Amino acid sequence: DQQVKQNSPSLSVQEGRISILNCDYTNSMFDYFLWYKKYPAEGPTFLISISSIKDKNEDGRFTVFLNKSAKHLSLHIVPSQPGDSAVYFCAASGNSGYALNFGKGTSLLVTP
Amino acid sequence: SQTIHQWPATLVQPVGSPLSLECTVEGTSNPNLYWYRQAAGRGLQLLFYSVGIGQISSEVPQNLSASRPQDRQFILSSKKLLLSDSGFYLCAHGSISYEQYFGPGTRLTVT
Repeated sequence: DQQVKQNSPSLSVQEGRISILNCDYTNSMFDYFLWYKKYPAEGPTFLISISSIKDKNEDGRFTVFLNKSAKHLSLHIVPSQPGDSAVYFCAASGNSGYALNFGKGTSLLVTP
Repeated sequence: SQTIHQWPATLVQPVGSPLSLECTVEGTSNPNLYWYRQAAGRGLQLLFYSVGIGQISSEVPQNLSASRPQDRQFILSSKKLLLSDSGFYLCAHGSISYEQYFGPGTRLTVT
């Protein structure tokens, strides 16, 4: 039962433009959300997170937006760079220190 | 700083053979430890997690088992591998916060 869904398996964006990656969840008990970036043959690296008490968190070029009523979050990357090309995973948790529920990932390609 | 090691990086094993993947963490005490698997075309699936020595929680019934013989060591094992065990195995550590940090992974191919 997939509780975290990333419905776009891939996204292509031109360098310098905005990349928007979307994620939906079904479990209303989730109270913390994370984004990870993964290159091929490497482990995922933590990118940015947001608590359910917030609706926006920003870190440099990366901003995560949370819409609790819609059970939807998105990651914005502005401006996009070729080095951002990777698979991005959305994750959610309702219990600190325990399991993260991951989406299937969205492969982002940033073209020059 | 915290570092997480996994080995081997790649592994090719025949069906029916045993498996042992090791994960160790440096720079932290009493971490929560996790094993995930990424199968081809799929997301990250949590297999096991441990909050302390000798304590293992299994998320998915399967052909695999896990052990935590030391505080910063987490081992994933199988007595007899199946073709469906092929995938990218990731060890992660975390603490009381939500963030988890992943190792470099092991690519397992069962032939």
